[in-house]
Amino acid sequence: GAVVSQHPSWVICKSGTSVKIECRSLDFQATTMFWYRQFPKQSLMLMATSNEGSKATYEQGVEKDKFLINHASLTLSTLTVTSAHPEDSSFYICSATRQGYEKLFFGSGTQLSVL
Amino acid sequence: LAKTTQPISMDSYEGQEVNITCSHNNIATNDYITWYQQFPSQGPRFIIQGYKTKVTNEVASLFIPADRKSSTLSLPRVSLSDTAVYYCLVGDKPGGYQKVTFGTGTKLQVIP
Repeated sequence: GAVVSQHPSWVICKSGTSVKIECRSLDFQATTMFWYRQFPKQSLMLMATSNEGSKATYEQGVEKDKFLINHASLTLSTLTVTSAHPEDSSFYICSATRQGYEKLFFGSGTQLSVL
Repeated sequence: LAKTTQPISMDSYEGQEVNITCSHNNIATNDYITWYQQFPSQGPRFIIQGYKTKVTNEVASLFIPADRKSSTLSLPRVSLSDTAVYYCLVGDKPGGYQKVTFGTGTKLQVIP
């Protein structure tokens, strides 16, 4: 099956710093990528939908200036958490797909801890 | 988007068959039903997908009645490694995953 690689797996940062998370589709061209966040014992919450070459579409309540999403190529999307604060600590997951694919392919997730 | 409803949790003993039902009363004509499995601190993993009747693969079966307002994921002879959260998703394909939202999922605990 298709592989989606997400890095880093975990990151610890100080409050006020920015953190970038990468999501790569290794063996297919992903026309659409999604970013989710997940708090402990809760379901995945969709943050934004990212189509290659266009601006991301953010879900209601998600600050686009806080969570910068770039989908510059068909194999890479990045999520940058700007000026991170402890409340941004969460598990972030990306997924990718393309036209004609039957399912979503998920990255392994990134655990962000902001001190 | 069709909203899904699943039991929050289920327990099962090893070796038993487990059936998890998902309700999706507002499913649209073009919608498919997909189930994912998620282990702690990992991304979800595809299990099975179907449109109607029955679908079977090497790990599970999916039963969908004629009205498609519900679906049942069947896991044969579960083992401890099947302890995970199982999510039912409803959406259009292909390329229709423009806005996939996850419901609460069902936490399956397999007991020795």
